Amino acid sequence: AQKITQTQPGMFVQEKEAVTLDCTYDTSDQSYGLFWYKQPSSGEMIFLIYQGSYDEQNATEGRYSLNFQKARKSANLVISASQLGDSAMYFCAMRGRGISSGSARQLTFGSGTQLTVLP
Amino acid sequence: EADIYQTPRYLVIGTGKKITLECSQTMGHDKMYWYQQDPGMELHLIHYSYGVNSTEKGDLSSESTVSRIRTEHFPLTLESARPSHTSQYLCASSEPSGRAYNEQFFGPGTRLTVL
Repeated sequence: AQKITQTQPGMFVQEKEAVTLDCTYDTSDQSYGLFWYKQPSSGEMIFLIYQGSYDEQNATEGRYSLNFQKARKSANLVISASQLGDSAMYFCAMRGRGISSGSARQLTFGSGTQLTVLP
Repeated sequence: EADIYQTPRYLVIGTGKKITLECSQTMGHDKMYWYQQDPGMELHLIHYSYGVNSTEKGDLSSESTVSRIRTEHFPLTLESARPSHTSQYLCASSEPSGRAYNEQFFGPGTRLTVL
């Protein structure tokens, strides 16, 4: 079975500073993908960034980057130059390609981190 | 921007009522999903579909049922709503396999309250 762990229920960051949201995972699949989603208070899930297990370089998308450390099974999200609009819940998720992920190849989500950006 | 829609966005209903939560996508995606999310908690998969006439139960047991008669439509039904069904329900879809990854696009969600 797959498992995602986000150990920070809440984080605060000053506007314009960088912040790192932690995510560790557990899987027996050799091939898998890691995702980060943002969920504002309005409820929708917004895809931010993806990292494949065989990608050699860390993924980046604008102000978002993923610090992928495969040996440690961690996939931390780094947000640079935080903005007030970044205040939201952030979820790390994983989808495997092997037996442990099941035939649905569904996403397994962590419990989320509530980020608050302070002015 | 993803074209996946859910209605209603908010629903308050009494115990015992039958309800259907609608989900539609205009992207031609084969795979569709329903997740249940309690406030401030993670998402749990309750149903998924690989295509027309294909439906499967997810990891989290649910008393709801789904149908997939058309590619674009994946409604979820509760025959008799109970207070324990109070939650947010999120619908998602993804492209067929073949891409390096299959990003799931989410709808805006339905916040259900059963009194």
